[in-house]
Amino acid sequence: GAVVSQHPSRVICKSGTSVKIECRSLDFQATTMFWYRQFPKQSLMLMATSNEGSKATYEQGVEKDKFLINHASLTLSTLTVTSAHPEDSSFYICSASRTGGWNTIYFGEGSWLTVV
Amino acid sequence: SQQGEEDPQALSIQEGENATMNCSYKTSINNLQWYRQNSGRGLVHLILIRSNEREKHSGRLRVTLDTSKKSSSLLITASRAADTASYFCATDSTDKLIFGTGTRLQVFP
Repeated sequence: GAVVSQHPSRVICKSGTSVKIECRSLDFQATTMFWYRQFPKQSLMLMATSNEGSKATYEQGVEKDKFLINHASLTLSTLTVTSAHPEDSSFYICSASRTGGWNTIYFGEGSWLTVV
Repeated sequence: SQQGEEDPQALSIQEGENATMNCSYKTSINNLQWYRQNSGRGLVHLILIRSNEREKHSGRLRVTLDTSKKSSSLLITASRAADTASYFCATDSTDKLIFGTGTRLQVFP
């Protein structure tokens, strides 16, 4: 079946540094990928929609200069948390929509970010 | 916020009992989906129900949808300890998937 891979699964970084999280669709092309953020015991909040070859669409309240999204190919989207702060510590999950199939959405296993 | 509401927020039952979770949403939808998430892990897709469907079954899962009330329910029958997880409804109306607040289900052996 389709698989979406996220890397790293866990990362610890120092305050003020930047960290990159990758989301890859392993066996299908993904025109659209989505990035979610989840705090402990809370729901997933959509941060942005990543479209291959174009700028990401950010949800209201999400700082685009802080959460940089790049979707340079049909199988890879990256989320870079810039100048990380402890309050950015969270679980980040990506999902990928198979090209031409909106109903077929696959989720990655998520990435735990801890900013110390 | 577009986010849907789920209730109860938390549910504790014994193995063998049924678990019912409810989801209410705010906008018209194309589909509604239910997902499961084990603690600290990714999401597992359980079932999708289209806006023109009223009920759908998959194994021990039964989902209903009432578009007039903008609500859906997920019923897990004959629950097992392994069903312990968080359950989320998710709606798509435009071009993105919006999740509900979730229900944390605990099934005691």
